[in-house]
Amino acid sequence: QKEVEQDPGPLSVPEGAIVSLNCTYSNSAFQYFMWYRQYSRKGPELLMYTYSSGNKEDGRFTAQVDKSSKYISLFIRDSQPSDSATYLCAMSALGDMRFGAGTRLTVKP
Amino acid sequence: NAGVTQTPKFQVLKTGQSMTLQCAQDMNHNSMYWYRQDPGMGLRLIYYSASEGTTDKGEVPNGYNVSRLNKREFSLRLESAAPSQTSVYFCASAGPGQYTGELFFGEGSRLTVL
Repeated sequence: QKEVEQDPGPLSVPEGAIVSLNCTYSNSAFQYFMWYRQYSRKGPELLMYTYSSGNKEDGRFTAQVDKSSKYISLFIRDSQPSDSATYLCAMSALGDMRFGAGTRLTVKP
Repeated sequence: NAGVTQTPKFQVLKTGQSMTLQCAQDMNHNSMYWYRQDPGMGLRLIYYSASEGTTDKGEVPNGYNVSRLNKREFSLRLESAAPSQTSVYFCASAGPGQYTGELFFGEGSRLTVL
């Protein structure tokens, strides 16, 4: 079993839809939870990070962490074609970082 | 701002050949990393350097060596390339946010080993 599980998709939605991306993990030591966005043929870029459990909102993006269930989510509201990318979840414990395999998202105009 | 720069962007090798991937960052970061990205596997850490003069193995170090030449540069060497090393390689750096997961990535080096 992988330490971080992420549904690879692909996920295709119409413009304006609400998108939900999820990851589960097995290591309860993880304290920092991140979402990276990776456009085609580019390197990942940090989108959001959250410490411990709870919600964090940034514009159209909301990150949720439920440590009791070992489950994290990223919600994208009013999705745009420019959101089409691969989204990688990542989590860290004292600098030891693990990435999910990434979910490929396409937002159709 | 250049950020993290990797060279070359593309490379094709034959089995047994050697090559070095170069990485440089201009953000004055202490920590630098080499990852490989394979379909369905996510990013896996090969080696990292917490500061100039130190290097440590990551999750998948076999078949690779690294050199932290100075604070800016961190190179990855394949001594005898194998088809299993066909992958996209990413260099990353981190500053004070290294423990929170704030990594800055280069654009990647796509390596094919025939």
